[in-house]
Amino acid sequence: NAGVTQTPKFRVLKTGQSMTLLCAQDMNHEYMYWYRQDPGMGLRLIHYSVGEGTTAKGEVPDGYNVSRLKKQNFLLGLESAAPSQTSVYFCASRPANYGYTFGSGTRLTVV
Amino acid sequence: SQQGEEDPQALSIQEGENATMNCSYKTSINNLQWYRQNSGRGLVHLILIRSNEREKHSGRLRVTLDTSKKSSSLLITASRAADTASYFCASQSGAGSYQLTFGKGTKLSVIP
Repeated sequence: NAGVTQTPKFRVLKTGQSMTLLCAQDMNHEYMYWYRQDPGMGLRLIHYSVGEGTTAKGEVPDGYNVSRLKKQNFLLGLESAAPSQTSVYFCASRPANYGYTFGSGTRLTVV
Repeated sequence: SQQGEEDPQALSIQEGENATMNCSYKTSINNLQWYRQNSGRGLVHLILIRSNEREKHSGRLRVTLDTSKKSSSLLITASRAADTASYFCASQSGAGSYQLTFGKGTKLSVIP
């Protein structure tokens, strides 16, 4: 049982480049989330999804887009990367009324 | 905005001692959760306490919740070097809320 898998684990982008982060879960969870973690800031919610085909904005959605075409996958896209998007990105999923299962993170550097 | 705020920001103790971390939150909650994060890794769910519960145990972990003071505490008894990690509280506000709001964490160092 893999849980939540994030790919890639590391990436370096140039300013203006685009990329997609993939999150896959095999636990049949309805809810999925994308967070970013910056030093001294804790985790901040970017976007989330409450089911296949649904997405919603979190606390810091600007500069990101998401899609949930399949229940098990939640994609996070950066259309035009900026240095301010340098961060560690975590995907998480959960069933109703229980704790989250997190992926191991994607460390993104934008130069 | 950060719903949960942990205190202290950093804590250093000797192996075998107890470690207590506190968390305060601002609005009413449905439940409050504690997570552990080892350096360079993802967060791991430790325990969830619902708003109608006052105390919960899981192994060496004890969590209390005081909704009148909007605060929670995590106690780790008989700490081990392997407990060295950052600990985060996270609150889910309201039964219909889908979001979990995290605090900034307490960095715990357990010295062998």
